[in-house]
Amino acid sequence: IAGITQAPTSQILAAGRRMTLRCTQDMRHNAMYWYRQDLGLGLRLIHYSNTAGTTGKGEVPDGYSVSRANTDDFPLTLASAVPSQTSVYFCASSGTSGDTGELFFGEGSRLTVL
Amino acid sequence: GQNIDQPTEMTATEGAIVQINCTYQTSGFNGLFWYQQHAGEAPTFLSYNVLDGLEEKGRFSSFLSRSKGYSYLLLKELQMKDSASYLCAVMDSNYQLIWGAGTKLIIKP
Repeated sequence: IAGITQAPTSQILAAGRRMTLRCTQDMRHNAMYWYRQDLGLGLRLIHYSNTAGTTGKGEVPDGYSVSRANTDDFPLTLASAVPSQTSVYFCASSGTSGDTGELFFGEGSRLTVL
Repeated sequence: GQNIDQPTEMTATEGAIVQINCTYQTSGFNGLFWYQQHAGEAPTFLSYNVLDGLEEKGRFSSFLSRSKGYSYLLLKELQMKDSASYLCAVMDSNYQLIWGAGTKLIIKP
């Protein structure tokens, strides 16, 4: 692989179910991010990680959790999905944190919660 | 609160020039980014401005005025493949990116 990979690309989920969106990068980037993108709204940051072993809350963290056990992987978990979490989720990484590095995005995971 | 404003949609003709504006009000400023996003795809980086003035990169240029809280993306010699959404994002004093909702650009032959 080259770049940043997300899985699954699309998923339909029943409300109340647990779901983990996977994100892996092979660029050895320190910083990783999870965003959600909804029609008519800008990208909103859910959680971020400036380096392996650390995570932080973004603008809309409620109902989501993340972990950063190593540099490459940054999974996002919905403990008990609700319809308002229907969205397109993008994982992103950058070579630096707290700096001006451009973001590299995965192809997105389209999640529908019924 | 923090706010990024850009037009929702714009239409232009193939071969023409189009300017997409972005105004911002943020707590601090550490740079402004423009990203391109084709429908159903991931955003990709276009440009970064941190100082006032114009940055040119091929057919695309980006301008910044920090005193006015204003930027624009200028696309020249428009091609059909330029049909996409263009996202403006500002990095605030905490180095967090604040995103606009994006401008959908429609190119007509």
